[in-house]
Amino acid sequence: DAKTTQPTSMDCAEGRAANLPCNHSTISGNEYVYWYRQIHSQGPQYIIHGLKNNETNEMASLIITEDRKSSTLILPHATLRDTAVYYCIVRVAGGAQKLVFGQGTRLTINP
Amino acid sequence: KAGVTQTPRYLIKTRGQQVTLSCSPISGHRSVSWYQQTPGQGLQFLFEYFSETQRNKGNFPGRFSGRQFSNSRSEMNVSTLELGDSALYLCASSFGTAGNTIYFGEGSWLTVV
Repeated sequence: DAKTTQPTSMDCAEGRAANLPCNHSTISGNEYVYWYRQIHSQGPQYIIHGLKNNETNEMASLIITEDRKSSTLILPHATLRDTAVYYCIVRVAGGAQKLVFGQGTRLTINP
Repeated sequence: KAGVTQTPRYLIKTRGQQVTLSCSPISGHRSVSWYQQTPGQGLQFLFEYFSETQRNKGNFPGRFSGRQFSNSRSEMNVSTLELGDSALYLCASSFGTAGNTIYFGEGSWLTVV
């Protein structure tokens, strides 16, 4: 699975959009980009995933560059409850149900 | 719809003992995987089971083992516990096919003293 690079930490003001970048320059054509977050060492929570096109759900939006070498997770109106560690994971679209976690980005939402 | 359920949530064991952790996947999910999370190593993949067969294995010693039952429920066992086995153990489930989403339970906190 391709390796991802994320900033170690980020801050964002409550109510503003939080934009979390992720680099995955060695991604292959059959690999998806997944985002999870983990709050207070609870189990990781699935947020969103995509292959080529931009995706949006009730939690966030995922913007993938045309060359697929990087992506951005957008939390449109961050709240204090969005404070967490966010993991960007590249996962091959095969049968293996395995996620390779990096160190993630510690996002702090400030009041 | 119930999520992934793990039991027990917290436990304390003594060095040299063994421990068994249980995981009930989301209904309909046939794949169950296990992860270990420690402050030093982060989240690491232990193994994955699909239809009662181990399909993937991470880089952990043989003291770590698992199994899956016909109802997809899974257990993992750690024998001869060491202090370094203290960690959050996470179970995750999915349908087990290409591109589907993996969902995590809340984890079992193991402390070895």
